Amino acid sequence: DQQVKQNSPSLSVQEGRISILNCDYTNSMFDYFLWYKKYPAEGPTFLISISSIKDKNEDGRFTVFLNKSAKHLSLHIVPSQPGDSAVYFCAASDGTSGSRLTFGEGTQLTVNP
Amino acid sequence: DARVTQTPRHKVTEMGQEVTMRCQPILGHNTVFWYRQTMMQGLELLAYFRNRAPLDDSGMPKDRFSAEMPDATLATLKIQPSEPRDSAVYFCASGLSKGQPQHFGDGTRLSIL
Repeated sequence: DQQVKQNSPSLSVQEGRISILNCDYTNSMFDYFLWYKKYPAEGPTFLISISSIKDKNEDGRFTVFLNKSAKHLSLHIVPSQPGDSAVYFCAASDGTSGSRLTFGEGTQLTVNP
Repeated sequence: DARVTQTPRHKVTEMGQEVTMRCQPILGHNTVFWYRQTMMQGLELLAYFRNRAPLDDSGMPKDRFSAEMPDATLATLKIQPSEPRDSAVYFCASGLSKGQPQHFGDGTRLSIL
């Protein structure tokens, strides 16, 4: 039972354009959502998060949008840079399991110069 | 920046051997997680601890895997006996309370021949 799904295994965009990574979830108890970025041979690095009481959170070039009714969140990167090329993981937690996270399968983003 | 430290970074051994992976969480973090990443799946949670007490190890094969926290600065994950299907990258992460992101180490890449 995959409670967090990232349906696009890969995404390719041009430098300077917008990258949009999508994530869907099924557990309505999830109330905290995060995005992590992972480079090869390194651990995932926290990028940005959002609480279920908000629908948008912005940090520099990165914005996360949450649509609770659709159980969908997205990460927007604008403008995209070649250094953003990495695997992006969506993750979620619910109030009953403390800080335990459920991860999606990841999306490989490639930003072409 | 404080970091989660994992050792060894790489381990190659023959099936049937005992494998021990170690993790030093970020000082002050009270929750420690063990994840496994394989080629076919995203990050799957194996076990986690809060204040050194095991909270959930349902993701681990109990007959061969064991996780412990001998003290607040050390978490261990042991496999005995190891099997080729255990080959994966094992990540440790630490965090504080819910609503705070987890921080990951760079992983132990394990190969069982």
